[in-house]
Amino acid sequence: SQQGEEDPQALSIQEGENATMNCSYKTSINNLQWYRQNSGRGLVHLILIRSNEREKHSGRLRVTLDTSKKSSSLLITASRAADTASYFCATDNKGGGSNYKLTFGKGTLLTVNP
Amino acid sequence: AAGVIQSPRHLIKEKRETATLKCYPIPRHDTVYWYQQGPGQDPQFLISFYEKMQSDKGSIPDRFSAQQFSDYHSELNMSSLELGDSALYFCASSLDGNRGLSYEQYFGPGTRLTVT
Repeated sequence: SQQGEEDPQALSIQEGENATMNCSYKTSINNLQWYRQNSGRGLVHLILIRSNEREKHSGRLRVTLDTSKKSSSLLITASRAADTASYFCATDNKGGGSNYKLTFGKGTLLTVNP
Repeated sequence: AAGVIQSPRHLIKEKRETATLKCYPIPRHDTVYWYQQGPGQDPQFLISFYEKMQSDKGSIPDRFSAQQFSDYHSELNMSSLELGDSALYFCASSLDGNRGLSYEQYFGPGTRLTVT
């Protein structure tokens, strides 16, 4: 079953504006990670936020986590054309062993127009 | 910093052929994960390994098998390929979550498999 659902599915903004993407999930998590993917390329790890954290910053990125609502948001400030990509949230689920497989949302396609 | 290495980057095979994808994790990472991403889809977990043992299995077809070797690199073997196997295959590595925490998973650039 789908764990993470992203909203919106697509977002188009002008350079310099802020972009906010949301993610909802269904089950309890240990952490939530955000990734960026340029078209057909690899997944670039952006940030990990643990279930006991509420907010985390990394450069122009700000991630929030609300475990009571089972939701997270990714804010990119002062966007640039180079930020154009798909953004995925991924939640961890402990499998049969000791490690944590990721379940991804459908992603938000962000387009930043110059 | 060293990243996850995958080879080959591109692979074209015909139906019913076999394919082997390789993954070299980040040094000191002891856990490897394989994911499949179809066109326009989100990545789907296939299988994972810790210390050369399979630790979890997702929606991986029986035609696929994988293993992790003593140097921690992993190989995904795919047999009797079908058109629907065409996808991006990612390998990711992390530290093991047995320490009670889950860690960042870092992804390789992927192998684009095209089955014709």
